[in-house]
Amino acid sequence: ETGVTQSPTHLIKTRGQQVTLRCSSQSGHNTVSWYQQALGQGPQFIFQYYREEENGRGNFPPRFSGLQFPNYSSELNVNALELDDSALYLCASRLENRNYGYTFGSGTRLTVV
Amino acid sequence: LAKTTQPISMDSYEGQEVNITCSHNNIATNDYITWYQQFPSQGPRFIIQGYKTKVTNEVASLFIPADRKSSTLSLPRVSLSDTAVYYCLVGDRYGNKLVFGAGTILRVKS
Repeated sequence: ETGVTQSPTHLIKTRGQQVTLRCSSQSGHNTVSWYQQALGQGPQFIFQYYREEENGRGNFPPRFSGLQFPNYSSELNVNALELDDSALYLCASRLENRNYGYTFGSGTRLTVV
Repeated sequence: LAKTTQPISMDSYEGQEVNITCSHNNIATNDYITWYQQFPSQGPRFIIQGYKTKVTNEVASLFIPADRKSSTLSLPRVSLSDTAVYYCLVGDRYGNKLVFGAGTILRVKS
């Protein structure tokens, strides 16, 4: 199933900078989650939004923040980048009336140097 | 959320049936078992979900014993393109706030 698009696909930033990653979901995908996946590890849950409100957060510091917009797009913002923030960032969304199965995007590969 | 344990890696040959077992001893009454597949540089893809007994779809089967403390993902007649990482997760039926482990690396050889 297609329908979750992330941009950019790759990004290189310098330590201390700020970054905004974007995700576009299909109409009706009212729930969106963001995950961080370090090389060789499983994705780690960052936070989740439902109808533009955050309704769940993983073990990530406040410098990781997000927004969800009425047009089913969302953003992940990371301030004060650290070298350990280098990872694949995944956006996943779910159709409102679907009982199971999030659809993941292909991710944004962030490298912090 | 319940923690899961899976083999780190498995090898198979084309055409064989592959069974990946996942242990989830602390699964809660309301938890569902969900499997995802992930190829390099792509996001995970939902494969199958179940609560008890057996579930089958066009790509896989999921076997869950009565005590629900483990589950087995069965992939019939694998091909080279099934080489991927397979994740077993337990959680609510909607898949909210997924907790991924390290997954099982499946290598299919010709």
